[in-house]
Amino acid sequence: ETGVTQTPRHLVMGMTNKKSLKCEQHLGHNAMYWYKQSAKKPLELMFVYSLEERVENNSVPSRFSPECPNSSHLFLHLHTLQPEDSALYLCASSHGLAGGSEETQYFGPGTRLLVL
Amino acid sequence: AQKVTQAQTEISVVEKEDVTLDCVYETRDTTYYLFWYKQPPSGELVFLIRRNSFDEQNEISGRYSWNFQKSTSSFNFTITASQVVDSAVYFCALTQGAQKLVFGQGTRLTINP
Repeated sequence: ETGVTQTPRHLVMGMTNKKSLKCEQHLGHNAMYWYKQSAKKPLELMFVYSLEERVENNSVPSRFSPECPNSSHLFLHLHTLQPEDSALYLCASSHGLAGGSEETQYFGPGTRLLVL
Repeated sequence: AQKVTQAQTEISVVEKEDVTLDCVYETRDTTYYLFWYKQPPSGELVFLIRRNSFDEQNEISGRYSWNFQKSTSSFNFTITASQVVDSAVYFCALTQGAQKLVFGQGTRLTINP
């Protein structure tokens, strides 16, 4: 596998379910990101991890819980979601060492989530 | 605060036509970076180009070219001799501090055969 991979690609869940999204990057990067892409809205940054530490939490509800066990893996744990949380969830990674604004982020294919 | 505006929500052209996607940005930073990404129907955002604020040279990569003009705060993207495979949503993005990007709303480009 190369680049950034995400599983599952599609997920349907009820409001009382608990599920997790997984992201893996094969680029040797040190920073990873979760974004939410809803219909007719710009991409929204949710979380940023740098060297496995969370450095950004963009006012995301607590029903979304990220986890970064190592620099290659990032999870998004979901529980008691609402229908308005239905969206495409995109993971990205970047070099991250310099923490500079010049870094290019590389994205995975996303998980399409539908909350019923 | 940083802002990116892609005023064209949707564009539809016939194959082989040239098409330009507009991007206008706002920032108070003196050093910043601009990006273009392509999102095909599969969903993945594909990186196309990164340009820093000190480099106003236009760039060409095959059928793709980018025109960066600081005077008008624009970073426009032109596809020459468009092809059906160019159909996608294209996003312009601007750095906001370290490790943060602000994205425009995207332009949905449809190339008809």
